[in-house]
Amino acid sequence: AQSVTQLGSHVSVSEGALVLLRCNYSSSVPPYLFWYVQYPNQGLQLLLKYTTGATLVKGINGFEAEFKKSETSFHLTKPSAHMSDAAEYFCAVTSLGANNLFFGTGTRLTVIP
Amino acid sequence: DVKVTQSSRYLVKRTGEKVFLECVQDMDHENMFWYRQDPGLGLRLIYFSYDVKMKEKGDIPEGYSVSREKKERFSLILESASTNQTSMYLCASSLRDRRWTEAFFGQGTRLTVV
Repeated sequence: AQSVTQLGSHVSVSEGALVLLRCNYSSSVPPYLFWYVQYPNQGLQLLLKYTTGATLVKGINGFEAEFKKSETSFHLTKPSAHMSDAAEYFCAVTSLGANNLFFGTGTRLTVIP
Repeated sequence: DVKVTQSSRYLVKRTGEKVFLECVQDMDHENMFWYRQDPGLGLRLIYFSYDVKMKEKGDIPEGYSVSREKKERFSLILESASTNQTSMYLCASSLRDRRWTEAFFGQGTRLTVV
């Protein structure tokens, strides 16, 4: 079975501060890992993904995430928060041949001016 | 750009009504999915389809059915809507060989059952 845990349902940061959203996964096979962003009343947009290869993955809007197998983590970071980053972020896991893409419960990011 | 279009952004239906949620994609994707999104629960897979007239149950299929008569269209059907089906519904699609690795989502339909 596969699952993800997102620590912190709400995270607040000041504009210009580091953004760190945490995701830990559980998978008995090599995982494929994703971060999606959802702006208010919108669908999901893929921020970045890890399937194989380089463990540091860069995505859109200045976000990046690092796959750490030893820690079973895939935390999302951005060096400097912008007001437009306020949204809900979902971490997800699947694997080759899997029958589902399993989502975490989401983290709502608030950016304080 | 891939476009996944859900026919309604907001719907209000009465308990017991038969409800159709429609989804159309324009990129000739083989796979289409319906997810339900609830606060604190994330997204949960209701059904997915990997070809015309083919479907598989996801994690929470009870109370729902689906129809895929054409490749580009995937419908979610609530046979008799209940208040516990009030939720945000998201449709997604992907290529056959990239089922989960490149899924594109629609804007969502927020359904309220009263």
